Amino acid sequence: AQSVTQPDIHITVSEGASLELRCNYSYGATPYLFWYVQSPGQGLQLLLKYFSGDTLVQGIKGFEAEFKRSQSSFNLRKPSVHWSDAAEYFCAVLGGEYGNKLVFGAGTILRVKS
Amino acid sequence: GAGVSQSPRYKVAKRGQDVALRCDPISGHVSLFWYQQALGQGPEFLTYFQNEAQLDKSGLPSDRFFAERPEGSVSTLKIQRTQQEDSAVYLCASSLTSPTGTSGYNEQFFGPGTRLTVL
Repeated sequence: AQSVTQPDIHITVSEGASLELRCNYSYGATPYLFWYVQSPGQGLQLLLKYFSGDTLVQGIKGFEAEFKRSQSSFNLRKPSVHWSDAAEYFCAVLGGEYGNKLVFGAGTILRVKS
Repeated sequence: GAGVSQSPRYKVAKRGQDVALRCDPISGHVSLFWYQQALGQGPEFLTYFQNEAQLDKSGLPSDRFFAERPEGSVSTLKIQRTQQEDSAVYLCASSLTSPTGTSGYNEQFFGPGTRLTVL
């Protein structure tokens, strides 16, 4: 079955420090891969997506993610975290046998220390 | 409109009551999705419409859940005889066409959600 795993429930980083949020997926082929951010009371906002081609993708707000087929991973990174990045982050997949449904991981809550 | 809107934003229901949650997609968007997000979890797919046709309802957890989109724009998710386990945020999303159409991916835009609390 297709699934998405985000192994870290909470992560705390200091403002200005680098960030990496982990995502692993279980899928028979290369899926469409996404990272979304959700702030309290807000809807989900798409940060970036990967379909094919260059395995390092750039997104909004200075985020990037790298697709590694051999590790079935799609980790999200940011070189320098800002206090406004505190939110919950979701990795998701789409396509294949699950068609148009987005399948989400459980999320990682990011806290930023000043 | 400028984005996907949902109403009400918050709903408190007594167990056993029926509720109706409304979604107004982005104007002209053909596809509409409902997701359920329980506390501490990621969103989970409920159902998918293309225009007025409900193409996938495999995620609806029971026959108490019913969704419709009669004119291919506004959608309503109805939950009958609510139970405590129905407490969650219900998210609606729309996309211009099918998300995995022949022209490639069409982004799903999410609304702010309706937080349902069943007492």
